[in-house]
Amino acid sequence: QSALTQPPSASGSPGQSVTISCTGTSSDVGGYNYVSWYQQHPGKAPKLMIYEVSKRPSGVPDRFSGSKSGNTASLTVSGLQAEDEADYYCSSYAGTVVFGGGTKLTVL
Amino acid sequence: EVQLVESGGGLVQPGGSLRLSCAASGFTFSSYEMNWVRQAPGKGLEWVSYISSSGSTIYYADSVKGRFTISRDNAKNSLYLQMNSLRAEDTAVYYCARTITPGAFDIWGQGTMVTVSS
Repeated sequence: QSALTQPPSASGSPGQSVTISCTGTSSDVGGYNYVSWYQQHPGKAPKLMIYEVSKRPSGVPDRFSGSKSGNTASLTVSGLQAEDEADYYCSSYAGTVVFGGGTKLTVL
Repeated sequence: EVQLVESGGGLVQPGGSLRLSCAASGFTFSSYEMNWVRQAPGKGLEWVSYISSSGSTIYYADSVKGRFTISRDNAKNSLYLQMNSLRAEDTAVYYCARTITPGAFDIWGQGTMVTVSS
C-alpha cells in the first residue's frame, strides 16, 4: 500500500477557513467510506478528529468537517484558532490501513 | 477514564528483539479491535499491525511482516508486539490504538520509544 498524498503545508489566518486534501486511489479512499483525520500536536499522540469521511467524535468542535469526492478526501477547518496549529494526517481503510504523509497547518 | 499505556521501549542493537506491551483500562478491552502504529523521528504515521477482538484475525504491514508478532491477552486487558530482527529503520515511537470503525482509531496511548542502534 502506498501512502496517501497530502500537501506538506497549509496556512490561514485566525477566523479563516482552510482545506487540506488527501488523495488516494480507488483501492483505498475511493473504494471505502472509511477515511479518518487525525490532529497531532508536537510531542503528543494523534487525536481522532473525523472518521467515516465526515463524522465527528464527541468533543470535536463542529469547526472541523470532512468530505470526499472520488479518490480525494478533504478536511476543512473553519474559524481557524491558534490551537488548531498542528500536524494533520488522513488515513483510509483498504483492507489494512494507510496513512497520508501529513500536513503541517500554520495559523498565521 | 479510558486509557492505553504502552511500555517496553528502549535501546536495542540491530538484529535484537524487544517486546512492547499496552495496558488498557476504562473500557471492555475484549470487545475492541486493536492496532500498533509507529512514527519515526520527524516523520509521519505508519500503521504496523492489527488484531481482532478475539485475536483470531491478524494483519501486518509489509515492512514488518515475518519479524513482528501482535498478540493480546483479554484476561489481562493487554496488547503486545513482539519485535524480532530489529533494523535501524524500525526506530520510532510506537503507539497502541483502539479501533472504533475500520481504519479509525479513537483512543491512543502516549507512545513508547524504540531505538535500534549499535
